[in-house]
Amino acid sequence: DAGVTQSPTHLIKTRGQQVTLRCSPKSGHDTVSWYQQALGQGPQFIFQYYEEEERQRGNFPDRFSGHQFPNYSSELNVNALLLGDSALYLCASSLAAGHGVKFFGPGTRLTVL
Amino acid sequence: AQKITQTQPGMFVQEKEAVTLDCTYDTSDPSYGLFWYKQPSSGEMIFLIYQGSYDQQNATEGRYSLNFQKARKSANLVISASQLGDSAMYFCAMREISNAGGTSYGKLTFGQGTILTVHP
Repeated sequence: DAGVTQSPTHLIKTRGQQVTLRCSPKSGHDTVSWYQQALGQGPQFIFQYYEEEERQRGNFPDRFSGHQFPNYSSELNVNALLLGDSALYLCASSLAAGHGVKFFGPGTRLTVL
Repeated sequence: AQKITQTQPGMFVQEKEAVTLDCTYDTSDPSYGLFWYKQPSSGEMIFLIYQGSYDQQNATEGRYSLNFQKARKSANLVISASQLGDSAMYFCAMREISNAGGTSYGKLTFGQGTILTVHP
């Protein structure tokens, strides 16, 4: 049973560029959440998708957008990258009807130069 | 707003001994969930244990147990018989439970984490 997968593993971009991160949830899970984790900090909630709609959003600007596909996989898009966007981006999957235990992927480490 | 506080930036423990990692939380919601995650240097967040706010008994999962004191709003993680592989960052997190149309949503709010080092 494959867990949560994310691609790419690492990414280097320059300021002003755009980036797309991808996530495939654990088999059977229907909800995907994205978190940003700066170095030495706890993860911060970006948004959550269920039934292809954004259901909750954290305190992140509109430069951060996402999408969920019919197969439950998801993308995180960040436009006009800033140096402060450098972080580990974690995708988590869960069952909407469950306790909300989230299984996380290995993350994508984004570096903005 | 929900808040999680982990007051121990770093903890040290001898192999085979028990260790307690502290977590306090603040919420006005009557219904919530508390989680502990382990994050090794590889970066992946590994789920350890879950406690629901209405659960009567403390959660246990193998060598992990959660000391849940609702009145004090604390949810400390106890790791028994520490192993070298337990060395990692540990995060306490809380999930607000908002129901809409029969489906539960809920972002996780994380604490700052505690780095645990297990000495041989």
